[in-house]
Amino acid sequence: EAGVVQSPRYKIIEKKQPVAFWCNPISGHNTLYWYLQNLGQGPELLIRYENEEAVDDSQLPKDRFSAERLKGVDSTLKIQPAELGDSAVYLCASSRTTSNPEQFFGPGTRLTVL
Amino acid sequence: DAKTTQPNSMESNEEEPVHLPCNHSTISGTDYIHWYRQLPSQGPEYVIHGLTSNVNNRMASLAIAEDRKSSTLILHRATLRDAAVYYCILLTSNTGKLIFGQGTTLQVKP
Repeated sequence: EAGVVQSPRYKIIEKKQPVAFWCNPISGHNTLYWYLQNLGQGPELLIRYENEEAVDDSQLPKDRFSAERLKGVDSTLKIQPAELGDSAVYLCASSRTTSNPEQFFGPGTRLTVL
Repeated sequence: DAKTTQPNSMESNEEEPVHLPCNHSTISGTDYIHWYRQLPSQGPEYVIHGLTSNVNNRMASLAIAEDRKSSTLILHRATLRDAAVYYCILLTSNTGKLIFGQGTTLQVKP
């Protein structure tokens, strides 16, 4: 079974530029999560999708961050414009359902904003 | 959301058992105890979870105190590949919301 796929793995941009991250969850997994992980810290949830519906986006900074999960499969997380403080690893995870305890994480996208 | 407390770091020798402690004194009756680990440059990986009874799987064992205010993740024979950050997380059923702390960084010495 293929794992969660994320691309790109690394991204370097200048501040004020836009950036997008893509995630393909495990086939059949209805729930998709985006997390942000700063250096030396544990991941923090940004948004959770049930199929195509964002059911928890309370931690998503909506002034510059947006996300979508069209057709309830792949998802894209966008930052526009990026700031220096956005440098972090962006992790995508999926699970069969919200109530299923095991979340499967992708390798993450490491973003560096110069 | 209930919080957990873990030591910042621990060391172990290869092929010896490792006991990773976690305190969660404010745990509620519906909180499950989850453990994830994160190897360098990888995303977190599910290890084990439990509610009240001790649990075993191919990766580890989870020992839960009778009052549920603490738990211990047990790696029966540590290998170099077990060197990682281990996170103890309380998860309320049906929310799916993992709240990671800083975890315990486990070093395994050959």
